[in-house]
Amino acid sequence: DIQMTQSPSIVSASVGDRVTITCRASQTVSRWLAWYQQKPGKAPDLLIYSSSTLEAGVPSRFSGSGSGTEFTLTISSLQPDDVATYYCQQYNTYSWTFGQGTKVEIK
Amino acid sequence: QVQLVQSGGEVKKPGASVKVSCKASGYTFRNYGISWVRQAPGQGLEWMGWISTYNGNTKYAQSLQGRVTLTMDTSTGTAYMELTSLRSDDTATYYCVREDCSRGSCCPDYWGQGTRVTVSS
Repeated sequence: DIQMTQSPSIVSASVGDRVTITCRASQTVSRWLAWYQQKPGKAPDLLIYSSSTLEAGVPSRFSGSGSGTEFTLTISSLQPDDVATYYCQQYNTYSWTFGQGTKVEIK
Repeated sequence: QVQLVQSGGEVKKPGASVKVSCKASGYTFRNYGISWVRQAPGQGLEWMGWISTYNGNTKYAQSLQGRVTLTMDTSTGTAYMELTSLRSDDTATYYCVREDCSRGSCCPDYWGQGTRVTVSS
């Protein structure tokens, strides 16, 4: 299975800060990489697919980039509603695999 | 609107089986595959398997091979996940996830609300 490694595990930032989360794949996944936001007790919500395509209705402060094995999720201006855990996921091959998650907190 | 509505929470004893349902609405069921993903308490996400709602073909995670079975009823637009020989480490929230193959590759987009399965003696 393709291993997905996210960093950092926790990020603490102030409202308005730029936040960047990195996801690395153990082998290429082309651009078939999605990012999710999960709040406690809820199912994950799709934010970005195909590495950089914003899902409909997702605020434009979220953006994604990368291809192959290196990907990033950026929140350009952190808002209180962004407090959540973020996961990357490759869907290049079954088994789908997920990063271990990055918890975003407000400082 | 697209909805995946799952069955309610279950409490099972070790060695028992559980069957979780996922009823789809708001789209043509046979046009989108369904995967199942689970999340143990406080842990990350684990893909369990996939079923083609077009022809019933399945793929399973190697770690669960032999214990998980995915089925569907196209007449009601419902997918099912059955897990047998339950162990305490199967305690988790189980999600069904629709995949949309019109987005370049087959991308997961809509998730069910989750079904909590607790395995305890």
